[in-house]
Amino acid sequence: SQQGEEDPQALSIQEGENATMNCSYKTSINNLQWYRQNSGRGLVHLILIRSNEREKHSGRLRVTLDTSKKSSSLLITASRAADTASYFCATADTGRRALTFGSGTRLQVQP
Amino acid sequence: NAGVTQTPKFQVLKTGQSMTLQCAQDMNHNSMYWYRQDPGMGLRLIYYSASEGTTDKGEVPNGYNVSRLNKREFSLRLESAAPSQTSVYFCASSVLSAGGPSDTQYFGPGTRLTVL
Repeated sequence: SQQGEEDPQALSIQEGENATMNCSYKTSINNLQWYRQNSGRGLVHLILIRSNEREKHSGRLRVTLDTSKKSSSLLITASRAADTASYFCATADTGRRALTFGSGTRLQVQP
Repeated sequence: NAGVTQTPKFQVLKTGQSMTLQCAQDMNHNSMYWYRQDPGMGLRLIYYSASEGTTDKGEVPNGYNVSRLNKREFSLRLESAAPSQTSVYFCASSVLSAGGPSDTQYFGPGTRLTVL
C-alpha cells in the first residue's frame, strides 16, 4: 500500500515560477524524505526532515512538515527546465526499517 | 566510487524462465533494498536486508527470492517469471545504523524487465 500520497499528480509551470507539491501520509513517522526521478533514471535523494522539525531548506528547496495533519510540502523556488522530473515523498514509519514511497508528482517546467 | 550498480540494464524473458538481478554497492552501507516500479506509480518494496546475513519481506515479495551475498552484494531472483513481473527494478542501499530509523537511500540506475 502507498503510505504517502502526493498532490497534484501532475504539475506544469513556466521557468522562474515556484512549484509546490504536497504529500499526505497515514501513520506515525520518524522522518519524511523527498526524492527526484528523472525520466528513465534512478531516484536521487533531495532532503530529509525529521518528525521533530517543522521546516528545512536546501538551496532552492523548502520542505515543511506538519505531523498533526500528517502532511508535508515541497517548494521549489525559481524553477528551471532542469527541474522537470517526478518527485516522490517517502516516509520512515515508526517501527519499520524501510521507507514507504508515494505515487509521485510529475513536474514539467516549460522553458 | 561507483555508488550502487545494477546488472543487467535490460532483460527480456519468456514466461517461466528464471533470472537473477545483481546489485552491488561500494559505500560500505549496512542495508540494501529491492523495489519495483510500475508505470505511473511509486516504488514498492519487494525485499530488504537491514544488515549482512538478514533479509525481510516487503510489500510485494511473492514470486521473488533474495540473497545477501556479503555486505556489498544483494541479488534478486525470479524463479519462474510471469508477465505481471514486467517492471523496472531498483536496488538501493543506506547506512541504517542499528536500531535507527530508515535514512537516506541511494539508488542504482534500474533494470528494465519485460516478461512475454
